[in-house]
Order: sequence, then structure tokens, then C-alpha cells
Amino acid sequence: ETGVTQSPTHLIKTRGQQVTLRCSSQSGHNTVSWYQQALGQGPQFIFQYYREEENGRGNFPPRFSGLQFPNYSSELNVNALELDDSALYLCASSFIPNRVYGDTQYFGPGTRLTVL
Amino acid sequence: AQSVTQLDSHVSVSEGTPVLLRCNYSSSYSPSLFWYVQHPNKGLQLLLKYTSAATLVKGINGFEAEFKKSETSFHLTKPSAHMSDAAEYFCVVRGRAGKSTFGDGTTLTVKP
Repeated sequence: ETGVTQSPTHLIKTRGQQVTLRCSSQSGHNTVSWYQQALGQGPQFIFQYYREEENGRGNFPPRFSGLQFPNYSSELNVNALELDDSALYLCASSFIPNRVYGDTQYFGPGTRLTVL
Repeated sequence: AQSVTQLDSHVSVSEGTPVLLRCNYSSSYSPSLFWYVQHPNKGLQLLLKYTSAATLVKGINGFEAEFKKSETSFHLTKPSAHMSDAAEYFCVVRGRAGKSTFGDGTTLTVKP
């Protein structure tokens, strides 16, 4: 177990709705990243938050947004859900001493989102 | 820019025989490289990482990987496969600003 937790475990939404997924980082970590893993594919980087600010973003539209809180927990928000948003959403936490240094990420178990 | 290519989508071995999972990468910077394993309906577990120290990296459960800069490769090996090794394996290159790029994964099947 990595100490990274995610909630909920599973979620079913309909197209057009909005969803919020939550992640609690491992103790001592200051960075959280979110990934989308479609069925049969590798995870795709959505964005990373470092000390409550976005620190990098992948090729995802603005309707994917996030927050990191002072306790380093995080939320991923997705607006106007589409069928293709159905996936496993993974968060990963790590400790980095500065904005550009990459370190080992520890992943949570994921939230399975189904959009109908 | 960075990218990862896992050369085999499926690998099948017999229990007790060696495992080789192949990974090539490209990166504009000196990369950090990782291998993760994902068992069905489970999260990603770190197997090992390379961060510019020794080129032969030892990980958990008997796995190891060798970083070869001239070949831009980071292949994962294990001398003797166990049934519990059956899973999906991901090679990952980690660059700046937190972006990790995953390969498409290799499904390892272990036959009794």
C-alpha cells in the first residue's frame, strides 16, 4: 500500500453532468498528479499540482480542472462529461524540492468513472 | 518532448523461465525512468526506478532493469518467472514539470 487514497472507488454519471474526484496524498508529499487510464491503455497525464499551483498539464481540455489544498489533498473536476471520459482516474503523489525536479510517484488505487 | 515505446504488447513465458520486457524511450533531457506493475483491478505499484546513478537497477520481487543510453533502452528482466508475476507492466519516462509519459503496457502471461 502506498498511503495514497482516492474516493469514490466507482462512480456512474450521465453525459453532460459534472463530477469531482478526490485524492489524499501520502504523508510528507507536496505534489499530486492526475492521470486518465482508458481501458486497455496506459495512463495519460492530465496535470500536476505543486504547492497548490498547477505545475504542468497534458493534452486535456479546460473542462478538466483541479485543486490542491493546503494539506496537499486534491480534487479533479470534470465538467460537461462525455462518453469518452469513461476511464480509471489515478492520482499519484510525490515529494519534489523544487518545481522542475521529478521524483518517484506513488499511485492510489484509482476511481472508475462510467459515463452513460 | 518525451516518448516511450514498449516493443511487445503481450509476452508469454513458462513458470521458472526468464522474463524480458522491452522498452525504448526518447527524451530531450536526462530522463528518470521507471517500471510499474498493475495487477487486475489494482493500482500501479513501483517496481524500480533509474535516476542517473547505477545503470543496472534492482527492484522488488527479483526484477531488474538496465539503462543503455546508446540504445535508448530500459528493458526489464527477471531470471525466473512466478505465477504471481502475471500482470500488466508499464515503462515510464519522467521529465520536467511533473509529466510522466507511460508506454502502452505489456501484458505478461505466466504458464504453469
